[in-house]
Amino acid sequence: AQSVTQPDIHITVSEGASLELRCNYSYGATPYLFWYVQSPGQGLQLLLKYFSGDTLVQGIKGFEAEFKRSQSSFNLRKPSVHWSDAAEYFCAVGENNQGGKLIFGQGTELSVKP
Amino acid sequence: DAEITQSPRHKITETGRQVTLACHQTWNHNNMFWYRQDLGHGLRLIHYSYGVQDTNKGEVSDGYSVSRSNTEDLPLTLESAASSQTSVYFCASSESEYRPQYFGPGTRLTVL
Repeated sequence: AQSVTQPDIHITVSEGASLELRCNYSYGATPYLFWYVQSPGQGLQLLLKYFSGDTLVQGIKGFEAEFKRSQSSFNLRKPSVHWSDAAEYFCAVGENNQGGKLIFGQGTELSVKP
Repeated sequence: DAEITQSPRHKITETGRQVTLACHQTWNHNNMFWYRQDLGHGLRLIHYSYGVQDTNKGEVSDGYSVSRSNTEDLPLTLESAASSQTSVYFCASSESEYRPQYFGPGTRLTVL
C-alpha cells in the first residue's frame, strides 16, 4: 500500500542551527512530492514541490528539499532556522494517474530554542 | 486575490445532528478535497471532486457526504454526527493533477 513516513514526530533545534526533516515514501510509480507547513490554528501552506527534473528544489522561506529516488526520500532542509519556523511540517506524495490525490505523512512538529 | 474559505471556523454540535461544513474557492479549480486532521494521523482524505456533479469517496468517507453543484463550492455533510467525528476539517483545491493543493483555514468541529 502507498504510504508516507515522517520518522520524527517532534524535533527541537536551536535558532540559527541547521534543520533536516525526513520524509520517506512507498510508491510503485514515479511520485510527485510536496512539503507543507502548518502554524497553530492555520491551514497548510505550500513550501515547495517536486514533479520532475532537478532533484534539489527550492521553496519559500529559505527551505529546500532533495528527492532521492534510490532512498525513496524527500528530506526538507534549511541552513539556519529562525524562531518563526516553529510549526508542524507535512510531507505529501502523489502518484501519476491518481487524479491529484495526496497521501500525507503524520507530520513533524518543530520547536525552536532561543 | 483568489482564496479558499471555510465556514464556520468553529462548531459545537450534539450527537445525532446533521452538520454541514462549507468550503468556497475563488480560483475556479476543478479539483476539491476534504480532509480531517487528528493527532497521530496526519491528514486523511474524506471525499473529493473533479468537477461539477462529480464526487468520490476517500479513505475515511463513512458518515460523510458531499455534493458539487458548482465549481466554487464543495459542502461536507455529516449525516448524523458522532463523537468520533470530532476533528479539524480542511478543504483544499487544485487546478489539476500534478498541481499543488491549496488549503482553507480549517473548521474545528466538536461533537458532544
